[in-house]
Amino acid sequence: DTGVSQNPRHKITKRGQNVTFRCDPISEHNRLYWYRQTLGQGPEFLTYFQNEAQLEKSRLLSDRFSAERPKGSFSTLEIQRTEQGDSAMYLCASSPLKNIQYFGAGTRLSVL
Amino acid sequence: DQQVKQNSPSLSVQEGRISILNCDYTNSMFDYFLWYKKYPAEGPTFLISISSIKDKNEDGRFTVFLNKSAKHLSLHIVPSQPGDSAVYFCAASVGSNTGKLIFGQGTTLQVKP
Repeated sequence: DTGVSQNPRHKITKRGQNVTFRCDPISEHNRLYWYRQTLGQGPEFLTYFQNEAQLEKSRLLSDRFSAERPKGSFSTLEIQRTEQGDSAMYLCASSPLKNIQYFGAGTRLSVL
Repeated sequence: DQQVKQNSPSLSVQEGRISILNCDYTNSMFDYFLWYKKYPAEGPTFLISISSIKDKNEDGRFTVFLNKSAKHLSLHIVPSQPGDSAVYFCAASVGSNTGKLIFGQGTTLQVKP
């Protein structure tokens, strides 16, 4: 099965540290999305790529957050100088050029 | 502002009966809607979608109804099965070929045997 893969599944870090998450989309999917989900809420859009181009960023994506998708394949989401408010589930999704998005299991971040 | 709202945090239904999950939206530009199901420790999985040119879409036990004038959609599951117990999210977008989805808060469905 070649679904969306996210690593690591869990990350515990201390406030002020940098963290990086990786997402491997379904092969041949042009689009890749990042969402954040907190307890009791639905996923909130952060950013998306079409191939290697980052086409939209949410205002939720502060300057401490950066996402890349080199060569239009996997993507990384980095959070610098983490804060306790960054604790959440970070979800990655991919899709072909239509809007049905396929999600990974997520990376749960805990900032102590 | 919450553009997509699921006002019922939870719903409990007996096995074999109908489950009806509701979703309201405020942005009149939304014209494509989706339902996702999420089990614990898994990512959301796509269930069914509907374009605003339709008012109903059916796939097996799942039917989505769209009332554009009321800005309301609902997901019907008939008959409900214990394996349907999960969190259900509705999502909306402007166009079927755009980027981001706007999700509701989710409704936890429990189907009792």
